[in-house]
Amino acid sequence: DQQVKQNSPSLSVQEGRISILNCDYTNSMFDYFLWYKKYPAEGPTFLISISSIKDKNEDGRFTVFLNKSAKHLSLHIVPSQPGDSAVYFCAASDGRDDKIIFGKGTRLHILP
Amino acid sequence: NAGVMQNPRHLVRRRGQEARLRCSPMKGHSHVYWYRQLPEEGLKFMVYLQKENIIDESGMPKERFSAEFPKEGPSILRIQQVVRGDSAAYFCASSPRLAGLDNEQFFGPGTRLTVL
Repeated sequence: DQQVKQNSPSLSVQEGRISILNCDYTNSMFDYFLWYKKYPAEGPTFLISISSIKDKNEDGRFTVFLNKSAKHLSLHIVPSQPGDSAVYFCAASDGRDDKIIFGKGTRLHILP
Repeated sequence: NAGVMQNPRHLVRRRGQEARLRCSPMKGHSHVYWYRQLPEEGLKFMVYLQKENIIDESGMPKERFSAEFPKEGPSILRIQQVVRGDSAAYFCASSPRLAGLDNEQFFGPGTRLTVL
């Protein structure tokens, strides 16, 4: 039972345009959401997070939007750069413990 | 300040052998988590440990797998009598677990286990 779902296995975006990565979750107890970026042969690196008391968090080129009623969050990257090509994992936790539930990831390709 | 360290980076074992994966958390972090990533899958939580304590092992297979985080030294994930299905990337993460704050986990580079 996949509690965090990333329905797009891959996404291709032109350099300079906006990349939008989507994530849906099923557990209404989740109250903290994270995005991680992963390059091949490396561990995931933390990108940005959002608490359920907010609906938007911005950090430079990265913005995460949370729609609690739809149980949906998205990561916007603008403008997209070649170094953004990686696998992006959406993740969530419910605050009772530190266990993080990950989605399967979306592979982002930034095209020149 | 060194990040989370894992060794070995690559480990090859034959069926029936034992695999030992090591993780040294970031300095000042007392909480360690192990995750497994199968091919084409996301990371799956396995176990959460503090020094000398297993806090949550709900993601650990019931047999052959064990984990420890001793008072001194790295955290160890041990897989006995490995089978081909154990082939995966195993990631360790650590966090300072500051009370009252949302804190992200910092991941190591992973150990890629291949069972022949």
